[in-house]
Amino acid sequence: DIQMTQSPSSLSASVGDRVTITCRASQRISNSLNWYLQKPGKAPKFLIYDASSLQSGVPSRFSGGGSGTDYTLTITNLQPEDFGTYYCQQSYTGPLTFGGGTKLEIK
Amino acid sequence: QLQVQESGPGLVKPSETLSLTCAVSGGSISSSSYWWAWIRQPPGEGLEWIGSISFSGTPYYKPSLQSRLTISVDTSKNDFSLRLRSVTAADTAVYYCATTFFYGSGSFSYAFDMWSQGTMVTVSS
Repeated sequence: DIQMTQSPSSLSASVGDRVTITCRASQRISNSLNWYLQKPGKAPKFLIYDASSLQSGVPSRFSGGGSGTDYTLTITNLQPEDFGTYYCQQSYTGPLTFGGGTKLEIK
Repeated sequence: QLQVQESGPGLVKPSETLSLTCAVSGGSISSSSYWWAWIRQPPGEGLEWIGSISFSGTPYYKPSLQSRLTISVDTSKNDFSLRLRSVTAADTAVYYCATTFFYGSGSFSYAFDMWSQGTMVTVSS
């Protein structure tokens, strides 16, 4: 199985800040990387696919990047609704696997 | 707008079978545009893909669950189902069903697009 490791596991930031979350795969995944945001008690929301493509309706302050085994999710001008837990997920091969999550909290 | 909603018992006894159904609305489960997936999340933990099924009914299972798992489609009811046999406490989790968003040519080149609200299933006697 491809292991997905996210860092940091948690971070605190303020509204208006810029933050970056990293996701590392245990092998090359050729940009087959998706990002989700989950709020407490809710289902995850699909944000980014193919490492850098925004799903329809996702604000442009979200951006994804990376290649090979290392990928990033960057949020500029953090808004109150951006707080929650972010997950990466590889769709390169089965079994599909998720990272352990990064909890983004308000400072 | 495609939507999915799961249903099923919230409590299952150890060694018995966990059965959930996911109703699809706003589109046909037979559409070639979508596959259908099950994902779970143990309390306080991360997300785990359980399996997916294609529009033609071909299932893909997480290997560690394959021996206990069946995912199937019912086109007459426009829904798909999960059956997990011989459950233990380790199967206690919130279970989600989801649609898929394909963006590549590979068998797994998709993301989980629309999610159900999730249902908590507890395995306990």
